[in-house]
Amino acid sequence: ELKVEQNPLFLSMQEGKNYTIYCNYSTTSDRLYWYRQDPGKSLESLFVLLSNGAVKQEGRLMASLDTKARLSTLHITAAVHDLSATYFCAVDIGSSTDKLIFGTGTRLQVFP
Amino acid sequence: DTAVSQTPKYLVTQMGNDKSIKCEQNLGHDTMYWYKQDSKKFLKIMFSYNNKELIINETVPNRFSPKSPDKAHLNLHINSLELGDSAVYFCASSQGFGRSSNQPQHFGDGTRLSIL
Repeated sequence: ELKVEQNPLFLSMQEGKNYTIYCNYSTTSDRLYWYRQDPGKSLESLFVLLSNGAVKQEGRLMASLDTKARLSTLHITAAVHDLSATYFCAVDIGSSTDKLIFGTGTRLQVFP
Repeated sequence: DTAVSQTPKYLVTQMGNDKSIKCEQNLGHDTMYWYKQDSKKFLKIMFSYNNKELIINETVPNRFSPKSPDKAHLNLHINSLELGDSAVYFCASSQGFGRSSNQPQHFGDGTRLSIL
């Protein structure tokens, strides 16, 4: 059975610090998505990674994909309080259709 | 302009009842999905429809029945509700079908279902 594991599950970090969230998956896929979810809210798409070596950056967040290692990372640079949320990676394992398997989520809290 | 809208936002009901959740998208997408998010925030795909045709039907109890009257709507009917059905149900949509699309899925705001 496919597993998509994120670590850490919970991350408390100080403003201005850097950190990386890891997403490991157990089957072949060349498509991976990152989403953000604020408490009680919907999921917001952050990044779409479509091939090995893909790197995307938006503001203080940068995502990368290594399909050979079955690993994606979400790097946070100089964290600010507004980044506090839960972050999910989702692996697309579909062949004839999109089928996303979500990771366990990483709850990020940024404090002053 | 809400892209993916779900109604109701909250649903509190008793065990054994039957309830429906509605979803509509105005993005012109042709694929729609239902996900369940449990109390531990774990998200799992339930169903997917493309142009009114059922594509993904995960292992869910047959008390759950999706219906897509057209490609802009995907409703979820749940019979004989059980305590374990308490969760947040998210509708989503995406453009294209299968590997032809490079776009992410767009999610609704969720329906929080509480079973008493």
